[in-house]
Amino acid sequence: EVQLVESGGGLVQPGGSLRLSCAASGFTFNNYWIHWVRQAPGKGLVWVSRINSDGSSTDYADSVKGRFTISRDNAKNTLYLQMNSLRADDTAVYYCARDPFAMGTMGSWGQGTLVTVSS
Amino acid sequence: DIQMTQSPSSLSASVGDRVTITCRASQSISSFLNWYQQKPGKAPELLIYAASSLQSGVPSRFSGSGSGTGFTLTISSLHPEDFAVYYCQQSYSTPFTFGPGTKVDIK
Repeated sequence: EVQLVESGGGLVQPGGSLRLSCAASGFTFNNYWIHWVRQAPGKGLVWVSRINSDGSSTDYADSVKGRFTISRDNAKNTLYLQMNSLRADDTAVYYCARDPFAMGTMGSWGQGTLVTVSS
Repeated sequence: DIQMTQSPSSLSASVGDRVTITCRASQSISSFLNWYQQKPGKAPELLIYAASSLQSGVPSRFSGSGSGTGFTLTISSLHPEDFAVYYCQQSYSTPFTFGPGTKVDIK
């Protein structure tokens, strides 16, 4: 069974940093692209970033470019999102999602981790 | 960036009703269109990919159609567990944008 478990969320002050993790199991992690998608409270889904299977290629939404960095450790079956210079509008539940086709489709999702940016 | 719109933004329906949700892209995205269902407090789930392909395990009452800029998600006969928010998403090019969602609730 495909499992994705996010962790690392919490309360952080504006301008602060946080690193999210997404632990994968139940599939061959290094065969798949993985995405980060976020959802502000009561709002819709927003794609944040994606990384290809070997970590050599990444993409970001304009709203996080230069502040967030996606990475992966295929030996540990873990995805990361390093978030710097956090702002109040980064407050959201962050989901990691596996892309079954390497084409921008989010086929399996984790349960999400809440990031709150507030003073 | 490709903008996605959905209509209606919400609808009320009864169990057994046929429901259709429309999604439009600001430019042609061929068939690079996915549909997701999200229930309160839960992660989204993939229903349809590549505009019309049913994700494994998804009931056959869900179907998708369209190409280019116009797409539809149809639920042929609404079940109680189908009351949720539905999102379309384009996978044609980054940033991979979502529609604003359509909330389906009980009439």
